[in-house]
Amino acid sequence: GESVGLHLPTLSVQEGDNSIINCAYSNSASDYFIWYKQESGKGPQFIIDIRSNMDKRQGQRVTVLLNKTVKHLSLQIAATQPGDSAVYFCADLAQGAQKLVFGQGTRLTINP
Amino acid sequence: KAGVTQTPRYLIKTRGQQVTLSCSPISGHRSVSWYQQTPGQGLQFLFEYFSETQRNKGNFPGRFSGRQFSNSRSEMNVSTLELGDSALYLCASSLAPYYGYTFGSGTRLTVV
Repeated sequence: GESVGLHLPTLSVQEGDNSIINCAYSNSASDYFIWYKQESGKGPQFIIDIRSNMDKRQGQRVTVLLNKTVKHLSLQIAATQPGDSAVYFCADLAQGAQKLVFGQGTRLTINP
Repeated sequence: KAGVTQTPRYLIKTRGQQVTLSCSPISGHRSVSWYQQTPGQGLQFLFEYFSETQRNKGNFPGRFSGRQFSNSRSEMNVSTLELGDSALYLCASSLAPYYGYTFGSGTRLTVV
């Protein structure tokens, strides 16, 4: 069945370093992908999205890379800050499905 | 502009009772979807509405239902509550597919 998974449940990085969070998806019909950040007690916050006709998209301090050949998605956060501490989810949308399928999430911890 | 508003924020109910949760989407957004978030299952899709029509439904029992009004506000109802229904219920609104999904802060439901 369709699923979106993350390679690591936790990731610890030093403040100022770059963070890379990975995601694998299995649905070949997925054509839209979103990264969310969720802080404790809050709903998921949209970070960046990418459509399947692209392989890279950049935002403010974040970059999403999409490799459709191996069905892999990654989120890169530059110069990680304490405020980046949160759980990060990837989600995918298959054409016509009208529903997001979420991975289990990666908890990012920033060490001072 | 105002974000997605969910009410109430917290709710405690007894097994066997029913509950109604409300979601007001971003102005102009006609698609509203609901998700259940638990530590064990992560974020699971419940259903999606567009212009008062349910377009997709997740794999949840019939005790879970929803509706959307002409002003795009949505409600979800859970009847005959079970302990396992304790979760964070999240609502997301979207202008259209592939244009991002914005989540509310959620309703934390505790069934005792």
